[in-house]
Amino acid sequence: AQSVAQPEDQVNVAEGNPLTVKCTYSVSGNPYLFWYVQYPNRGLQFLLKYITGDNLVKGSYGFEAEFNKSQTSFHLKKPSALVSDSALYFCAVRGLVESGYSTLTFGKGTMLLVSP
Amino acid sequence: DSGVTQTPKHLITATGQRVTLRCSPRSGDLSVYWYQQSLDQGLQFLIHYYNGEERAKGNILERFSAQQFPDLHSELNLSSLELGDSALYFCASSRLAGGSSSYNEQFFGPGTRLTVL
Repeated sequence: AQSVAQPEDQVNVAEGNPLTVKCTYSVSGNPYLFWYVQYPNRGLQFLLKYITGDNLVKGSYGFEAEFNKSQTSFHLKKPSALVSDSALYFCAVRGLVESGYSTLTFGKGTMLLVSP
Repeated sequence: DSGVTQTPKHLITATGQRVTLRCSPRSGDLSVYWYQQSLDQGLQFLIHYYNGEERAKGNILERFSAQQFPDLHSELNLSSLELGDSALYFCASSRLAGGSSSYNEQFFGPGTRLTVL
């Protein structure tokens, strides 16, 4: 079965500094990986995905993620953090269930706090 | 705005009761997924429907059921409610069925917050 680990419950960074939110995964076959963001009292918003191709994926709001197959990681990054980036971030991996259809398995989430 | 709508936004009910949560997917999306988000369990996949048919089941209790109607909206029915069922329930939709050769880029609704007293 597929799984996602987000080792940090919370990441603190000062505005203007680079940020990294870590994610490692385990899945059979080719990994399809996703990052979502959740603002308070809101649903999850899609940020970016890796299906195939370049290991550096660019997404919404200036975020990017680096896929590393040997380390089974998909870390989310941003060169310069904004206070408005403060939110809960989820990494997800596509996996197959018994029916042959796919579903997303999410990590537990990492709270990003950007201080002014 | 993802284009996925959920009603109601908030629901407060008592133990033992039954509630129905409703979801309308994005225009053109045939797949609907239901998730439960709680502080202790995180975001848990419940069930997936594609074009009216159940495609995958996750950690869904027997007290819970869902269906997808011909107009593609979906309902999640929760019965014999317990205190532990209090959570945020999200619906998501995607264009594809999510077979082995496809990927599931899902778009989430704003959620229904269920409080069981």
